[in-house]
Amino acid sequence: AQKITQTQPGMFVQEKEAVTLDCTYDTSDPSYGLFWYKQPSSGEMIFLIYQGSYDQQNATEGRYSLNFQKARKSANLVISASQLGDSAMYFCAMRHFNAGNNRKLIWGLGTSLAVNP
Amino acid sequence: NAGVTQTPKFQVLKTGQSMTLQCAQDMNHEYMSWYRQDPGMGLRLIHYSVGAGITDQGEVPNGYNVSRSTTEDFPLRLLSAAPSQTSVYFCASSELAGGYEQYFGPGTRLTVT
Repeated sequence: AQKITQTQPGMFVQEKEAVTLDCTYDTSDPSYGLFWYKQPSSGEMIFLIYQGSYDQQNATEGRYSLNFQKARKSANLVISASQLGDSAMYFCAMRHFNAGNNRKLIWGLGTSLAVNP
Repeated sequence: NAGVTQTPKFQVLKTGQSMTLQCAQDMNHEYMSWYRQDPGMGLRLIHYSVGAGITDQGEVPNGYNVSRSTTEDFPLRLLSAAPSQTSVYFCASSELAGGYEQYFGPGTRLTVT
């Protein structure tokens, strides 16, 4: 079954430190992409980073990087040098690219990150 | 470039009333979808569309209808509101092919009393 698991309901990190948010996924389809979104308390969904299943290198976007371990089916988000504004809910999601899976996004339940000053 | 817009931002309905949540995008995206977000449940897909005239059901379609007469618009209709439909509703759009991100609207907070 296609599924995303985020095992950390809540995380704390000290400002300026790095933090890793876990995401594991389950799929038998070889063609997929993994996304991370941030949802601050204001409610909007903000795209952070994307990793394709065939990408050879781990994705990076500024302070965000994705630790993609295909054999372990994990796609952890690493936030370096945490800032107070990073306090938010973080969602991992997976999208399949073959027409049979209709390209739907499958979502994890999220991890709430609190950055302490 | 407005991206994805949703109206209204807030709505209170009485049980049994019907209403339409509006969603529009100006990015010429083929793929559009509606989610609901409930505490502790993450985002659940209600309906989606891969192009004008084509819609399909997601995980939780009961009590909702959609149509896609144009590329830009994807309204969500609540046929007879129930308290269980109290939620935050997000509309999203993306390119159809490839690993493109979904762009989200600001959300509609719906309360059914």
